Amino acid sequence: DQQVKQNSPSLSVQEGRISILNCDYTNSMFDYFLWYKKYPAEGPTFLISISSIKDKNEDGRFTVFLNKSAKHLSLHIVPSQPGDSAVYFCAASAYNNAGNMLTFGGGTRLMVKP
Amino acid sequence: DSGVTQTPKHLITATGQRVTLRCSPRSGDLSVYWYQQSLDQGLQFLIQYYNGEERAKGNILERFSAQQFPDLHSELNLSSLELGDSALYFCASSVVGTGSGEQFFGPGTRLTVL
Repeated sequence: DQQVKQNSPSLSVQEGRISILNCDYTNSMFDYFLWYKKYPAEGPTFLISISSIKDKNEDGRFTVFLNKSAKHLSLHIVPSQPGDSAVYFCAASAYNNAGNMLTFGGGTRLMVKP
Repeated sequence: DSGVTQTPKHLITATGQRVTLRCSPRSGDLSVYWYQQSLDQGLQFLIQYYNGEERAKGNILERFSAQQFPDLHSELNLSSLELGDSALYFCASSVVGTGSGEQFFGPGTRLTVL
């Protein structure tokens, strides 16, 4: 049972345009969502996060939107740059006393063409 | 550089063998997490330690075990290795042990079981 899904395995955009990466989740207990970026042969790098009490969080070129009723979040990158080409993972966590493990989606490979 | 270190970077071994993966968290982080990324899959949570104590367990096989030492470094022990254990193993760390918070990932150990 995949609780976090990224339905697009890949996305290709032109440099300077907007990249929109999508993520859906099923567990309504998730209350914190994160996006990570991963280059080959490196570990995931934290990009941006959002709490379930918000619907938008912005950091420079990166904006994450959360639609709780639809259980959907998206990452917008504007403008896209060739250096943004990587695999992007969304992840979710649920507050509980046992810990704060992350549940990851399968990833979306973004290719930004010059 | 996330500040999380993992050794070794690559490990090649045979079926039935036992290996130990090592992780040093960021300075000040008390929580250590282990994740497995198999081919073409997202990251799967294995286990979390907080200040030396096991805090949460994911889908970790009984052949796998981990511990966190007083200096907060952690080791993941994989025994009776099978071909299907070939994967990238990531360690992450965070300040908090519960609730929500960013996790910072190491570069990973690539395990190949022949």
